[in-house]
Amino acid sequence: AQSVTQLGSHVSVSEGALVLLRCNYSSSVPPYLFWYVQYPNQGLQLLLKYTSAATLVKGINGFEAEFKKSETSFHLTKPSAHMSDAAEYFCAVGRGNKLTFGGGTRVLVKP
Amino acid sequence: DADVTQTPRNRITKTGKRIMLECSQTKGHDRMYWYRQDPGLGLQLIYYSFDVKDINKGEISDGYSVSRQAQAKFSLSLESAIPNQTALYFCATVKVWDGKNIQYFGAGTRLSVL
Repeated sequence: AQSVTQLGSHVSVSEGALVLLRCNYSSSVPPYLFWYVQYPNQGLQLLLKYTSAATLVKGINGFEAEFKKSETSFHLTKPSAHMSDAAEYFCAVGRGNKLTFGGGTRVLVKP
Repeated sequence: DADVTQTPRNRITKTGKRIMLECSQTKGHDRMYWYRQDPGLGLQLIYYSFDVKDINKGEISDGYSVSRQAQAKFSLSLESAIPNQTALYFCATVKVWDGKNIQYFGAGTRLSVL
């Protein structure tokens, strides 16, 4: 069985500050990993995916995530938050035909 | 136009009523999924379909049924709605890429059962 834990259901950052969203997973086999973003009243959009080609993955809108096997983590970062980054972010781990999602982290960006 | 379209976007219904949520896609993907989203729980898989003749239960299928009318259409039904089915429902299509599933989501249907 696999599971995903996102630490912190809400994160508040100042505009221009670092955004760090934590994701830890458990999986009995090497996983494939994703981050999705959900803007208000919209569906989920794929931010980035771990391909196993590189441990540091770059996504859209300036986000990136680093896969650390030893820590079973796939944390999402953005060096400088923008007001438009206010959204809910979901980490997901996949195996076979299914994705297991974390509980989500809502990001609030303060001016 | 959106690639994955869900209708309705919002629905309020009463306990015991039958309700259908519809999903259509223009991406040409064979695989389609239905999820429900509850605060703090992320998304949970209800049903998924690999093609018109292949439908599978997900983690929380009790109280739900689905119909894959065509490659492009996948409907979710609540035969007798109950209040704890109040949630945000998402449909997704799946592209298999490099042995991995890439999922594309609709905008969601917000369902309230009174």
